[in-house]
Parts: sequence; structure tokens; C-alpha cells
Amino acid sequence: DAGITQSPRHKVTETGTPVTLRCHQTENHRYMYWYRQDPGHGLRLIHYSYGVKDTDKGEVSDGYSVSRSKTEDFLLTLESATSSQTSVYFCAISVLAGGDEQFFGPGTRLTVL
Amino acid sequence: SQQGEEDPQALSIQEGENATMNCSYKTSINNLQWYRQNSGRGLVHLILIRSNEREKHSGRLRVTLDTSKKSSSLLITASRAADTASYFCATPLQGAQKLVFGQGTRLTINP
Repeated sequence: DAGITQSPRHKVTETGTPVTLRCHQTENHRYMYWYRQDPGHGLRLIHYSYGVKDTDKGEVSDGYSVSRSKTEDFLLTLESATSSQTSVYFCAISVLAGGDEQFFGPGTRLTVL
Repeated sequence: SQQGEEDPQALSIQEGENATMNCSYKTSINNLQWYRQNSGRGLVHLILIRSNEREKHSGRLRVTLDTSKKSSSLLITASRAADTASYFCATPLQGAQKLVFGQGTRLTINP
């Protein structure tokens, strides 16, 4: 987990509220990713970034948006949280594109009531 | 559908025994990676094997890759209680800037 932090680590919120998760890195890596992990589904990519202000969708992007205004920060926003977005969210970084080794943050456990 | 799928889904062995996990994938790849996840933690990269390699070692880990069968195996020798974790294979989608992860093998080492 060195060099990558996620905040908050735990959050409980109510359906319909917006939620923002933050990923911060000190490695100066170009690529950043947001995943969610759910039982029976493994790890699924939500969004990723290949540079400041450059982002793209992953396989489960509906209901999520991202922003990257600085190299070190990648924000994931749930525009209007739903119970189906209860999950553990992981941020990851890599030096090169998706085929490169990825380094993961410690995760954020989000519960939407 | 998943690019990589691990088998078995769960494995329980005695400490000191060897553990073998398998991964199958669907499309051509230029590398395959294995990750470990301890309970409540993020994934940790273990090893990357390139498509032109057949076998790779790292400490007690041995990874093989058979591109003709589109499969890989991860062998952990002389297992320890600390090896208890979930293990995931991951493959890059061709032409894409992302990895696709399997659902993982949950390994339990019994003392």
C-alpha cells in the first residue's frame, strides 16, 4: 500500500446522497484506476485515468463519475448513491498502461443504506 | 464475461504442502499477472509472466504459462499460514489500457 492512500476508509451513507472517494498517490504514476470488489464478481473496473484530465470508462461505470485535476489525486463520485453501490472500492496505479503491474490502495468500504 | 477465471474457487491444505491454482483466459495476451489479497487489504502484485515465457520463479512461487491452452498455473511450495489469502490472475485486454481480473482462488493453509 505504500504510496497510495484512500479516504475515507469506511463510509456509511443513505440512498440518494452524493459520495466522493479520494485516491492519493505519491509515486507520480501516470495511470490510475478505480475498481469495485463484490462477492461473486471479483474485481471490476469502474473508470481509469491515463493522465491529468484524461479519463475513460471501465466495465461498470454507470452511476459513477471521476475527475483528475492533479497527477496525484483521482476522485470517484457516486452521483446519487444506491444500495447496489455498496461495495469495497480500490484505487490502483501503474507506470505504464493496463498491461503493467498495478499497485493497489488499501480500499474503502462503502455501505449505502 | 471474465477474461481470466481461476480454478479452484477455494483450496484448503495443510501447512508445508504445495498449493496449485489455475487460471484460464479467452483471448490472446502479452502477459499474465498474479496477485494476492489478504483479508481486508488491497491486492499485491506477485509475478508477471510474458507471453514468450513458459515458466517463471519468484521465491516459493512458480508460474507457468501455456498460450496454446490459454492457461496459467501458480504453484506455492512449502506453504505457510501466512500464505492464507485470495489469489487472482489478471490479463490485459488486447489494445486496451486495462487489466481484467478473475474472481480469485481462496487459499486456506491449516496449521
